[in-house]
Amino acid sequence: ETGVTQTPRHLVMGMTNKKSLKCEQHLGHNAMYWYKQSAKKPLELMFVYNFKEQTENNSVPSRFSPECPNSSHLFLHLHTLQPEDSALYLCASSQDRGGRRDTEAFFGQGTRLTVV
Amino acid sequence: AQSVAQPEDQVNVAEGNPLTVKCTYSVSGNPYLFWYVQYPNRGLQFLLKYITGDNLVKGSYGFEAEFNKSQTSFHLKKPSALVSDSALYFCAVRPSSGSARQLTFGSGTQLTVLP
Repeated sequence: ETGVTQTPRHLVMGMTNKKSLKCEQHLGHNAMYWYKQSAKKPLELMFVYNFKEQTENNSVPSRFSPECPNSSHLFLHLHTLQPEDSALYLCASSQDRGGRRDTEAFFGQGTRLTVV
Repeated sequence: AQSVAQPEDQVNVAEGNPLTVKCTYSVSGNPYLFWYVQYPNRGLQFLLKYITGDNLVKGSYGFEAEFNKSQTSFHLKKPSALVSDSALYFCAVRPSSGSARQLTFGSGTQLTVLP
């Protein structure tokens, strides 16, 4: 295991539902990320948090709402999603203290989301 | 803006033969380069990275990659492929300096090793 745990592993939700994805890392990292993985496409970076502060939002629709209560936990709140939002959502963490960029990211196993 | 190209969606190789998965990148300044592997229904696992120094980088499971600055490439290689190497491979780049900080991934290459 990578030290990054995501729950649930699978989620099916209707377009009017509200649900949340959870990510927890046990690595002592300060940076956490949400990525969207769709078939045949590069991973899309959605949000970045560093020491609980959001540092990037890559033009993600407001129906996706992140929350980072502390450096170990990251949530992605979902509401009124569209079928095209169906994808694998990956959480990752890395140690970026001091502005370091040479550290690798550690990924969770992902949540397979299906919007019906 | 930085980018990564993995020109082959699919690579097939016979077990025991050498394998190469190609990656080229575009970034301002010096790059930090990474390879990740993804097995079915799993997240990405780190394989190896190039930061500085020797252009040939060795990583997990017998994989290695060669950084070529003039060709802006970072191809993944293994001398003898195993069936268990069959997976989806991602190349990624991150600029070592400048305002753009994040990791950018390619679209992935599906490697199939045939017994």
